[in-house]
Amino acid sequence: DGGITQSPKYLFRKEGQNVTLSCEQNLNHDAMYWYRQDPGQGLRLIYYSQIVNDFQKGDIAEGYSVSREKKESFPLTVTSAQKNPTAFYLCASRVGGEKLFFGSGTQLSVL
Amino acid sequence: AQTVTQSQPEMSVQEAETVTLSCTYDTSESDYYLFWYKQPPSRQMILVIRQEAYKQQNATENRFSVNFQKAAKSFSLKISDSQLGDAAMYFCAYFMNAGGTSYGKLTFGQGTILTVHP
Repeated sequence: DGGITQSPKYLFRKEGQNVTLSCEQNLNHDAMYWYRQDPGQGLRLIYYSQIVNDFQKGDIAEGYSVSREKKESFPLTVTSAQKNPTAFYLCASRVGGEKLFFGSGTQLSVL
Repeated sequence: AQTVTQSQPEMSVQEAETVTLSCTYDTSESDYYLFWYKQPPSRQMILVIRQEAYKQQNATENRFSVNFQKAAKSFSLKISDSQLGDAAMYFCAYFMNAGGTSYGKLTFGQGTILTVHP
């Protein structure tokens, strides 16, 4: 089945630690996105990528980094510079003006 | 910058009744798409309906329809014959399909929590 796989489902970060959230898609989509969702809030764009080896900052990129070395993969690293990382993270992919396909999300919490 | 505003943090409706969720957006572009997404307690994002800005006709998907007013930059969602399963957070989203620095950016509103009473 085609889709987007996010892992892990739950992740815990210790203070000062970098953690990486995985996002893999087999839909052959060019564009991929990372969003952050705080409880009861909307989705805020962290980073997005239109093609391999290219990505743009979204509205809240500080404290995060990404890479796009393969079309299928768009991992997000939450660095120690992100002082309030506890949130639900959603990855998505898109082709053209069609709908976004979303993964099932990763809940990141701080120990 | 494109912004999407949902002015109703919460709405409620009786089962089998009709409810309308509001959304306004700010853009200077003419080529874009608008979406309504539903997020139930499972937190999985589900596409409800999609509208292409160049189309005059309002999109409809079964019990869901939109009122797209391009000049007013308004994009409301009407849910008819509401069902208990419609209870969720609903998000309006804007996607710009033109060139420029914001190409491909998808912006979401703050969401509206819909409660359906039996």
